[in-house]
Amino acid sequence: EVQLVESGGGLVQPGRSLRISCAASGFTFDDHAMHWVRQAPGRGLEWVSGIGWNSANIAYADSVKGRFTISRDNAKNSLYLQMNSLRTEDTALYYCAKDLSPTLTGGTFESWGQGTLVTVSS
Amino acid sequence: ERVMTQSPVTLSLSPGERATLSCRASQSISSNLAWYQQKPGQALRLLMYDASTRATGVPARFSGSGSGTEFTLTISSLESEDFAVYYCQQYDNWRPFTFGQGTKLEIK
Repeated sequence: EVQLVESGGGLVQPGRSLRISCAASGFTFDDHAMHWVRQAPGRGLEWVSGIGWNSANIAYADSVKGRFTISRDNAKNSLYLQMNSLRTEDTALYYCAKDLSPTLTGGTFESWGQGTLVTVSS
Repeated sequence: ERVMTQSPVTLSLSPGERATLSCRASQSISSNLAWYQQKPGQALRLLMYDASTRATGVPARFSGSGSGTEFTLTISSLESEDFAVYYCQQYDNWRPFTFGQGTKLEIK
């Protein structure tokens, strides 16, 4: 059974940093691209970032480009999102999602975690 | 950026009725469209990809159609567990991947 378990969320002040993680199991991690998708309270879904199976290809939404860094460790079956210079508008539930494809450009989110809540507030 | 627009925002129907949810793309996305279901407290679920291919384990009462800019998700006969929020998403252009704003399917 595919499992994606996010962790590391919490309350952080504007301008500070936070790193969230996603532990994957139940599938061959390095056969799939991975993504972060967020959902602000009471709002819809917004794709944040994606990474190909071997980390060679990475992309970001314009709203986070230059502030967030996605990475993965295939040996540890883990996905990460380093978030710097956080803003109040980054407050959201952050989901980890497994792509059907190994490449970043696949874009079909086959499995999702339950999310980790990031709250940016002073 | 491909802008995805879903309609209606809210759909009120009774169990056993047919549900038709629409999704429109701001420019052609071929058949590069997925549908997701979101229920409170549960992980998001992929229902459909490539516009009309059911994901693993999705019941046959769910069907998808369309190409280009107009897409439809149909639930032929609603069951109680189908009441949820549904999102469409395009993956024709990954810069960036974009979602519709969602349709809430509620019990009438």
